This record gives sequence, structure tokens and C-alpha cells, in this order.
Amino acid sequence: RKEVEQDPGPFNVPEGATVAFNCTYSNSASQSFFWYRQDCRKEPKLLMSVYSSGNEDGRFTAQLNRASQYISLLIRDSKLSDSATYLCVVITPRRYTGANSKLTFGKGITLSVRP
Amino acid sequence: DTGVSQDPRHKITKRGQNVTFRCDPISEHNRLYWYRQTLGQGPEFLTYFQNEAQLEKSRLLSDRFSAERPKGSFSTLEIQRTEQGDSAMYLCASSSNKGRVGPEAFFGQGTRLTVV
Repeated sequence: RKEVEQDPGPFNVPEGATVAFNCTYSNSASQSFFWYRQDCRKEPKLLMSVYSSGNEDGRFTAQLNRASQYISLLIRDSKLSDSATYLCVVITPRRYTGANSKLTFGKGITLSVRP
Repeated sequence: DTGVSQDPRHKITKRGQNVTFRCDPISEHNRLYWYRQTLGQGPEFLTYFQNEAQLEKSRLLSDRFSAERPKGSFSTLEIQRTEQGDSAMYLCASSSNKGRVGPEAFFGQGTRLTVV
């Protein structure tokens, strides 16, 4: 099983739609979670950290479900400018993996928002 | 610009040649990561430094790849005897742990390598 798995895509939605992405992780000891956004041929950029209590930033809401080991990203009122690839990122501390903390990325899911 | 910078941005090389990429992290960051990304895939971990120590290297990384961070500041990634399969975007990221596990990392713009 892969460490981080994301919904298959791509997603193609009209402007104004609400879209949700899910991402599952395999190691229950994982402690830090993020969503990154990557535009075509650009570097990934941090979109949001994901906290246990859930967090919201404008039209974006991120949630963590530790029991089911998944994180989600909800985008409300989609804009054309939201078109990008969304990557979920998980960090698992060294003492649980024998490896040092590194960011493990999902494959990414591509969102296209159409007029 | 105080972000992560990478050089060169693009590199075209012939198969069998050696290439070296440079990454300058954000100055106060002690952690530095190298990733590789191919089209349609998420970034794939290559190696990780904390200060000047290389603490982890991916098992996916062949012995043709080597990375250094001699003074705990900038880092270089060298690929020897390049192969066409090495064609990818090479991304560098940095972060600062400051006692916390898993702070967010900031990426450079990447070096796009094409092996012909």
C-alpha cells in the first residue's frame, strides 16, 4: 500500500461549484499534514496546513480524520484561478519509520474549473 | 528574493554526460530536501539534509546520484552518466524544524533536466 494515496482525477467543474478532494495515508503515526498547490510547470506551493480540529481559509476548508486516516480539502465557489494540481503531503516522525522526517507526497489531483 | 533558489532552471544534456544542480535554501532553514517529479506524478523523495549531514537517501536513488551540503548552506545534486530516464524536474525544498516535527517546506522553482 502506498504511503499516501489521492482520489483519482481529473476533476472538471464549472465556476461556482463546490469540489472536495480526499487523501488517505497508511501510517497511523503520521503527525503533520498539508495541502500543496502546483500550477502547470511550476513548483509546489503550500496551500494549507491541516489540523486535527479542521481549519478554514476563505473558500478552502481542510479536515483531518485520524480514525480513518484521511485528510480532505473542500473548495467552495470555485474560481477559474483554482485550476491547478492539488497535492496532499504527510510527514511521519522518524521514530515510527526509522527514517527521518520527510514530506511524502500523493500523486496529486488536477482540478480544471471551466467558465 | 529570500526564497529557495535553484540553478540552472533548465538543463539539456546528452546521455552519458554528468550534470550538477545547485540549490540555495532559505537562509535560516536547516533542513534541505531534493525531490524529483515527472509528468503526472507527485514529487518523489530523493534525499534529505539536516545542516550538513545527509540523513537519508532514497533507495530509489542509484549510485549515479550524489548530493552534498558541505557547509550546511547550499546543496548540490550531481548525476553521473545521465540516462534518458533521468529526465525530470528536480526540486529542492527547505524547512526549519526548530523542535517541531514536520514544518512546512518551501520549494524552489526546480531544474528541468532533459537527457537526449
